[in-house]
Amino acid sequence: QVQLVQSGTEVKKPGASVKVSCKASGYTFTDYNIHWVRQAPGQGLEWMGWIYPKSGDTNQAQKFQDYVTMTRDTSISTVYMEVSRLTSADTAVYYCTRGVSSGYPDWGQGTLVTVSS
Amino acid sequence: QSALTQPASVSGSPGQSITISCTGTRSDVGGYNYVSWYQQHPGKVPKLMIYDVTNRPSGVSNRFSGSKSGNTASLTISGLQAEDEADYYCTSKTNTASYVFGTGTKVTVL
Repeated sequence: QVQLVQSGTEVKKPGASVKVSCKASGYTFTDYNIHWVRQAPGQGLEWMGWIYPKSGDTNQAQKFQDYVTMTRDTSISTVYMEVSRLTSADTAVYYCTRGVSSGYPDWGQGTLVTVSS
Repeated sequence: QSALTQPASVSGSPGQSITISCTGTRSDVGGYNYVSWYQQHPGKVPKLMIYDVTNRPSGVSNRFSGSKSGNTASLTISGLQAEDEADYYCTSKTNTASYVFGTGTKVTVL
């Protein structure tokens, strides 16, 4: 079955960077986009961007284009999402999810990133 | 890209039907049949309920149905049950190949 397993909880200081990983299994890794979605405490879901593992092409929401980087390592079926210049507004649970047509049927367990001085 | 507009809350009694709207523009909801809906219980991962406007994934109850008219998509839950109490989000592809979520709707079963 499809599984997306994310890296663990992170606590960072303002101005630092964080890199979250998402390891995929149970399907052909290069065939589907991986999307990143975040959810701040008590808030709604926010789409951040996607990466196409076969080519490495990415597409990010405009607000994230200058400080979020998405990469992949096809040899280990893993995608990464790095957020730089962290502020308290980046405190959230970050999810990776597999895109199939217009839906996201499979989700990682979520990674809590807390930004605090 | 602005978030799609959903009502903050919708409520209904067990057995009733409710509808959640998701309003966008011609650049997203109105321009593509790429709308999906998610259910999220507190502290849980979102669950896909509807994709491509009207399609239900395997395992999702047929009490859930989706539709679209113009720039507004809708999710209807019929035969409302206590377990349906959750937050619901829509999302749509946009004309820049990005995606955007709705503002979210809290469904309360009275």
